[in-house]
Amino acid sequence: GAGVSQSPSNKVTEKGKDVELRCDPISGHTALYWYRQSLGQGLEFLIYFQGNSAPDKSGLPSDRFSAERTGGSVSTLTIQRTQQEDSAVYLCASSQNRDSPLHFGNGTRLTVT
Amino acid sequence: GENVEQHPSTLSVQEGDSAVIKCTYSDSASNYFPWYKQELGKRPQLIIDIRSNVGEKKDQRIAVTLNKTAKHFSLHITETQPEDSAVYFCAAAESGGSYIPTFGRGTSLIVHP
Repeated sequence: GAGVSQSPSNKVTEKGKDVELRCDPISGHTALYWYRQSLGQGLEFLIYFQGNSAPDKSGLPSDRFSAERTGGSVSTLTIQRTQQEDSAVYLCASSQNRDSPLHFGNGTRLTVT
Repeated sequence: GENVEQHPSTLSVQEGDSAVIKCTYSDSASNYFPWYKQELGKRPQLIIDIRSNVGEKKDQRIAVTLNKTAKHFSLHITETQPEDSAVYFCAAAESGGSYIPTFGRGTSLIVHP
């Protein structure tokens, strides 16, 4: 079946603009994660959704970052007033349930100029 | 929170040699340890995982070992091939707990033909 889908694949934006990144998880997967991957760095956790529970936002680096997951499926990560240090690949992953392996999307490469 | 250290950051081997990547973790509650392979420009993909109730797991040329007392786990690749060239990430998570995998910074494995 279809894997995790992310859009856009690339996004170039000017400093100070807002951006929205979309993630469409595998159908039926209850858990959804957002990670950020900067050049030469590992995968930095941002936010986690599990079913109808309140999301774990402990990884969000600032209040400019927010995310929502509508209807337990599609998720949108929003970055307001983008800064150059926000440039990175934003990866979304989903898993069948809480204790299952993660399946990653191809990511959105964000460049803030 | 959990902290995962991964070494080396870069590993260069000749085709046919073995490669070993080591990770340490800090949270004794972690009990699930997946490894992901990320080829250039592609998404991370799970290649093997181990849970804390076993000390070793093998899958063809890949094996993972876990030492819970020392809080370290390792990935072993035997008879390396050029297609093994990629970035490898280890992770640690608390299955049954928050289950948000914490990733290491990655190891860039280069296999020379």
